[in-house]
Amino acid sequence: NAGVMQNPRHLVRRRGQEARLRCSPMKGHSHVYWYRQLPEEGLKFMVYLQKENIIDESGMPKERFSAEFPKEGPSILRIQQVVRGDSAAYFCASSPVDPEWDEQFFGPGTRLTVL
Amino acid sequence: KQEVTQIPAALSVPEGENLVLNCSFTDSAIYNLQWFRQDPGKGLTSLLLIQSSQREQTSGRLNASLDKSSGRSTLYIAASQPGDSATYLCAVSSYNQGGKLIFGQGTELSVKP
Repeated sequence: NAGVMQNPRHLVRRRGQEARLRCSPMKGHSHVYWYRQLPEEGLKFMVYLQKENIIDESGMPKERFSAEFPKEGPSILRIQQVVRGDSAAYFCASSPVDPEWDEQFFGPGTRLTVL
Repeated sequence: KQEVTQIPAALSVPEGENLVLNCSFTDSAIYNLQWFRQDPGKGLTSLLLIQSSQREQTSGRLNASLDKSSGRSTLYIAASQPGDSATYLCAVSSYNQGGKLIFGQGTELSVKP
């Protein structure tokens, strides 16, 4: 059973471009979380999704950021018109049936650099 | 609002020493607490998960304890090795939060040969 997959591992964008980050959860996991780790800061929750539904987006900036988890395919975190402050490591995690009780498994992260 | 604090922020020890990392949380209404390891520039590796009804979990040289009523957890590492050098993070899953994890800032551990 492959772990949580994220791609790309490294992404460089210029200010104003769009960044698309992908996350494939572990097989059988239907709950996906995105977290962001800014330089010299801890990990912060961004958004929680189940298939085709956003459950909690309270940690995601209101503008420029969006997330989806379609019926088929990976979860996507999309950042429009990136700014230097978006440079960070973005991690996704998945859990199986009961996310409040179950362990979360993390992917290797995507390191976004905005020039 | 749940807050998680880890002390110390950094720790340097000689190889072979036993050590304790501390994690405290402000709201005791939690489902579980997880300890992770993060190597520089890498992702998170889950070390131990303690459910709220449990007091401790062990894996090899690692032992994690949980005192939910006092809002504390400790990660004990026995006979430390240079390969244990990493940042250790604790995170809690709180009631009515949908499973999202609240992380501490981490303890950066350096084990000197």
